[in-house]
Amino acid sequence: DVKVTQSSRYLVKRTGEKVFLECVQDMDHENMFWYRQDPGLGLRLIYFSYDVKMKEKGDIPEGYSVSREKKERFSLILESASTNQTSMYLCASSLVRLAGGPAREQYFGPGTRLTVT
Amino acid sequence: AQTVTQSQPEMSVQEAETVTLSCTYDTSESDYYLFWYKQPPSRQMILVIRQEAYKQQNATENRFSVNFQKAAKSFSLKISDSQLGDAAMYFCAYRSKETSGSRLTFGEGTQLTVNP
Repeated sequence: DVKVTQSSRYLVKRTGEKVFLECVQDMDHENMFWYRQDPGLGLRLIYFSYDVKMKEKGDIPEGYSVSREKKERFSLILESASTNQTSMYLCASSLVRLAGGPAREQYFGPGTRLTVT
Repeated sequence: AQTVTQSQPEMSVQEAETVTLSCTYDTSESDYYLFWYKQPPSRQMILVIRQEAYKQQNATENRFSVNFQKAAKSFSLKISDSQLGDAAMYFCAYRSKETSGSRLTFGEGTQLTVNP
């Protein structure tokens, strides 16, 4: 079974702190993703990575950065946490779709509920 | 840019009955993928069913089936013989075949309650 783990289920940080959210997958997936989930807004893509040291901005990258130094690990960094970054953060991973092949399923972690006070 | 809309924030169904969750999307592409994901109260999101736009046949997975209407850009999920374990948040998602990295665009979600 694919397993995607996130470093914390719940996290409370203060405004202005630097926050690291870690995600690890154990199935050698090339693609990894960070989403935030807010009521009424669904999931919105923050950043994704399709290879080590490669990253692309998603729909809401402002205030966030990412790091992917190893294939299995994808970190989300809040450089200076703000109260509007209070949210649920979900990590996901998937294999690369082969040409002509079906879409690859994304596998999700359990989420980190971040509160910024 | 593609958008996905789920117009039902909440739905409820009696155990053993059938419920349909709605999803519409907007795209200019002709080939793409659509998904339904389920997020139970434990929060681990799992894939329920997927559909490829070029396939006219509606996808089915046991008690879950979709009604894919490409011209109307509609992708509804039908759950038959609802069970208590079906209670969850359900998300509809779109994936372009053209963009890199398999990124998904999600709808707002529908919270499904199953009443015993």
